[in-house]
Amino acid sequence: DTAVSQTPKYLVTQMGNDKSIKCEQNLGHDTMYWYKQDSKKFLKIMFSYNNKELIINETVPNRFSPKSPDKAHLNLHINSLELGDSAVYFCASSPLPGQGNYGYTFGSGTRLTVV
Amino acid sequence: KNEVEQSPQNLTAQEGEFITINCSYSVGISALHWLQQHPGGGIVSLFMLSSGKKKHGRLIATINIQEKHSSLHITASHPRDSAVYICAVRAGGTSYGKLTFGQGTILTVHP
Repeated sequence: DTAVSQTPKYLVTQMGNDKSIKCEQNLGHDTMYWYKQDSKKFLKIMFSYNNKELIINETVPNRFSPKSPDKAHLNLHINSLELGDSAVYFCASSPLPGQGNYGYTFGSGTRLTVV
Repeated sequence: KNEVEQSPQNLTAQEGEFITINCSYSVGISALHWLQQHPGGGIVSLFMLSSGKKKHGRLIATINIQEKHSSLHITASHPRDSAVYICAVRAGGTSYGKLTFGQGTILTVHP
C-alpha cells in the first residue's frame, strides 16, 4: 500500500551504461517530481510533470529523460551514465496548488552508484 | 546565497531538551514544508504551513510570512528524533509546486 513507490532502491552500474528508475503513486495526485540529493544531502528539483505533461525541467543534462505514460507514473531514464550522476534520486507527488491540501509525498529513494 | 537558509547546520542535544531549528527564505511562497530524513531512509513530510502554527505530538512548527521565517520546535527530545530536518518552500505562480530546499539540519539527540 506504499503511496509513492520507486524501484529499484539500489542501482550500481558502470559508466556509459543506460539505466531507468521507475516511480508510481497511488494517491491520485496530479503532479509528480524527480529530485536529486547529492553527496552533501542537498536536494534539488530535476523535473516536474502535471498530468503527463512536462512542466519543469531544471537545466538537467539531456541524458536524463523523464517519461510519464499516465499521471500515476513518472519514470526516469538516464543515458551514458557518468560518475557525477551518483546520487540518491527521489520521486515525489503532490496535488495541484490551490487544491487545498498541498501535501507532498516522497518515495523511498533510489541510490545510484556509477563506477 | 541559497533562497532557503537553515540554522543551525548541526545540532546536538541531550534527551529531554527543547530544540529549535530555524528557516529563513527570500522568495514569495505559497507554503513551507518541514521534512524529516533518517539516515539511509526516505523523506517524510512533517508539516506544511502557509500561516500561523501547527502542532503534532512533540513537534511544533510556526511561520511568520511577513518576516519570511519559520521555526521547528521539538519538545522533550528523544534519541529517535535524531535525523536530518529539512525546510523547503513551495513557490506560487507557475512553479507547479516545486520545492526549493534548505541545506538541512543534522540533529543528534544523546540518551
